[in-house]
Amino acid sequence: AQSVTQLDSHVSVSEGTPVLLRCNYSSSYSPSLFWYVQHPNKGLQLLLKYTSAATLVKGINGFEAEFKKSETSFHLTKPSAHMSDAAEYFCVVIPDTGRRALTFGSGTRLQVQP
Amino acid sequence: GAGVSQSPSNKVTEKGKDVELRCDPISGHTALYWYRQSLGQGLEFLIYFQGNSAPDKSGLPSDRFSAERTGGSVSTLTIQRTQQEDSAVYLCASSLAAGTTSTDTQYFGPGTRLTVL
Repeated sequence: AQSVTQLDSHVSVSEGTPVLLRCNYSSSYSPSLFWYVQHPNKGLQLLLKYTSAATLVKGINGFEAEFKKSETSFHLTKPSAHMSDAAEYFCVVIPDTGRRALTFGSGTRLQVQP
Repeated sequence: GAGVSQSPSNKVTEKGKDVELRCDPISGHTALYWYRQSLGQGLEFLIYFQGNSAPDKSGLPSDRFSAERTGGSVSTLTIQRTQQEDSAVYLCASSLAAGTTSTDTQYFGPGTRLTVL
């Protein structure tokens, strides 16, 4: 079964600076990967998903992620952080082909300093 | 249109009592999922319904947990004889689940926060 590892539990950036949230996956085949965001007291929202169509995936709110098979990574980036980006971010994989249940990483809490 | 709704938003119960949590998926979505979010375990899959197929119960932590989906729409998650370790936020999601692809977007509800005293 596949899994994901989020390398940082907390990331703090200044407003206007780049954001990098790191995620590595374990896989024996080409996985389906997602990034979800959870704002305080709100539900989970899909940011973007990788489905093997293109290795660079663009999502909502200026976020994007690049699938790198050689590095088994799917890092989330944004060129310029905004205060409203402060939230918990989850890297997610569908662990087995034919199944739909999501396996979540442990999450990265992003803080944005003014 | 309306998103996934869950009720109640908060539930406080005493150890040993049974609780029922409700999920109303997005209209037309054939797949429905339950997840649990707790401090100790993070976000974990519980159970998945797809149309008329037998549900995937592989994530249920014990036989105290069960779920049903009536008429292919509303779902109820039942926890019997609740324990303190059941305290968590229970999340429901739904998706179109069109075709055989497993990458269709899952839309999450706001969750039910369960506290077992």
